[in-house]
Order: sequence, then C-alpha cells, then structure tokens
Amino acid sequence: QKEVEQNSGPLSVPEGAIASLNCTYSDRGSQSFFWYRQYSGKSPELIMFIYSNGDKEDGRFTAQLNKASQYVSLLIRDSQPSDSATYLCAVYTNAGKSTFGDGTTLTVKP
Amino acid sequence: DAGITQSPRHKVTETGTPVTLRCHQTENHRYMYWYRQDPGHGLRLIHYSYGVKDTDKGEVSDGYSVSRSKTEDFLLTLESATSSQTSVYFCAIGGPDQEKLFFGSGTQLSVL
Repeated sequence: QKEVEQNSGPLSVPEGAIASLNCTYSDRGSQSFFWYRQYSGKSPELIMFIYSNGDKEDGRFTAQLNKASQYVSLLIRDSQPSDSATYLCAVYTNAGKSTFGDGTTLTVKP
Repeated sequence: DAGITQSPRHKVTETGTPVTLRCHQTENHRYMYWYRQDPGHGLRLIHYSYGVKDTDKGEVSDGYSVSRSKTEDFLLTLESATSSQTSVYFCAIGGPDQEKLFFGSGTQLSVL
C-alpha cells in the first residue's frame, strides 16, 4: 500500500462546476497535510494546507481533513480553465519529510 | 521561486558518467530536499538535509549521494549515471515552519 494515495484521474469538469480531489494516507501519526498545484512543465506550488480535522477555506479552495478516516480532500468551487493542472497531495511526518501522492490531473473545460 | 536556483536546467549525459546537480537558496532555511518526478510516480524523495553536513536518505536514494557544506547549497550527485535516472529533479526548501515546501524550477536530466 502506498503511503499517500490519490483518486485516479484524469478528472474533467465543466467551467463553473465543483472539482473534488481526494487523498488517503496510511500513517496515523501524520500531522500536516498539503495540496500542491503543478502546471504542465512547471514546478509544484503550495496552494493549501490543513492541520486540524474539519474544513479550511481560502477563496475558491476548501481543504477537508478527517484524521479518523485518514482522508484529506480539496474542493475547487467555480472551477476555471486556469485551474487545469495536476494536484499533488502531500503528508508531512515528524521525521522531517513530506510524502507525495502520484497526483490527479484536472481539466476544466470552457 | 522563493529564492531557489537549480542548475543546470537541462542536462544530457551518457551512461556511466558522474553528474552533479546544484541547488542554491537565498532564504537561509535549514531544510533542503531533492525529489525526482517520473510519469506515474509523483514526487519521490531522494535525500534531504536538516542542516550543514546533516543529511538523510529518502525512499529512492540508491545510486545518489548528497552534500551540504554550506546552508545555501545542496548538491546531488549521481556517481555513475544510469538510464533509469532519467527524470526531472526538483530541489525544495522547507519554509520558516519547515513543513511547507518551496520548489526550484527543476532539472531535466537525460541519461543516454
């Protein structure tokens, strides 16, 4: 079992819809959870982070964490073509390193 | 890119030759990381450093070595490059609270 697993893609949504990206992790001791966005040919950039159970909202983005289920998700409301990218889920351990999922590629169609 | 510079940006080399990739930061952060990214595998940690001369292995460290003699520089060396090491290599630094990563622009390495 991979340490961090993301829902298989690619994911395609129409412009204006909600995109839902999911991630599960295996280490129950994980404390910090991150979403990175990576445009094609570019480096990853941090867009959201969450430490506590529940929801965290930032503009059109909402990160959700459920530690009991070892599940973290990213919702993108009012999806725009500029949101088309690969989204990487990352889990930080107390060992000082982050483990990434394989990523989910999102395409937002005008 | 948050004060991170990777060099070279592109490199083509032959099997069996040594290769060194450089990561330079101007942020004075303690943690630095080397990842590789391959289609279908996401980002995989090669090595990381938590201070000058303090390094540790990641999940795919075989065939790689690192050195950190100064806070600002973290070098990744492929002692004898193989075709399986063809990849995009990203350096990252841990931000002020070390958990949030900021990435360099990447190095596309091709081993022929």
